[in-house]
Amino acid sequence: AQSVTQLDSHVSVSEGTPVLLRCNYSSSYSPSLFWYVQHPNKGLQLLLKYTSAATLVKGINGFEAEFKKSETSFHLTKPSAHMSDAAEYFCVVSSTSGTYKYIFGTGTRLKVLA
Amino acid sequence: EPEVTQTPSHQVTQMGQEVILRCVPISNHLYFYWYRQILGQKVEFLVSFYNNEISEKSEIFDDQFSVERPDGSNFTLKIRSTKLEDSAMYFCASSDSWVQETQYFGPGTRLLVL
Repeated sequence: AQSVTQLDSHVSVSEGTPVLLRCNYSSSYSPSLFWYVQHPNKGLQLLLKYTSAATLVKGINGFEAEFKKSETSFHLTKPSAHMSDAAEYFCVVSSTSGTYKYIFGTGTRLKVLA
Repeated sequence: EPEVTQTPSHQVTQMGQEVILRCVPISNHLYFYWYRQILGQKVEFLVSFYNNEISEKSEIFDDQFSVERPDGSNFTLKIRSTKLEDSAMYFCASSDSWVQETQYFGPGTRLLVL
C-alpha cells in the first residue's frame, strides 16, 4: 500500500532563506507524487507533481521538488522564502489501484519570519 | 481559470440532523471525490464517483453517507444522521481522468456537529 510521511509538522524560516519541506513515500510501483499548499481558509492548490518524467519537478511560485527513488524521497524546496509562502503543505501520493485516490501526508506548517 | 466551488463554507448542525454538502466540479471533469480532514488529523479519502456511480469508498463511508450528482453540475455529499465525530473539513475534488491526473480541490466546507 502507498503512504507518505512528512517528517516535520512545523518548519520556521526567515524571509529570504531557503525552504526545505521533507517527504518520504512508500509505494510498490512507480508513484505519482504531488505537493499541495493550503493557505488559511483556502482550498488545496497544486504546487507541482511528479509522474515518472523528469526527476526534478518545477512548480509554481518558485517551488521545486526532486524525486529520489534510492531515498524514497520527494522533498520540496524553494531558494528564498517569501512571507506569502506561510501556509500548510501536503505531500500526496496517488494510489496505484482502484480509482487512484490521493493518500495525504500529515502536513507541514511553514512559518516565515520577517 | 476554472475552479471547484463548495457551499456552504461553514455549517453548524445538531447531532442526528441531516446535512448536505454541495460541490460544483470543473465543468468538463468526469471524476469526483470527497475527502475530509478532522481537526489536527490528515486529509482522508471518503469516496470517488464516476458515471453516476460510486467507484470506490473508504471504510469511513458507511451507510450514513451518500453521494449524488443530481444534475449536470452539482455533486453532493449527504450525511443522514450526523454524529459529533463527523465534525471536520470536507473537501470536494474533481479530475478529468483517473491515472496520474491532478485532482482539483474546492475550498472546503467546515462542518461542526453539536
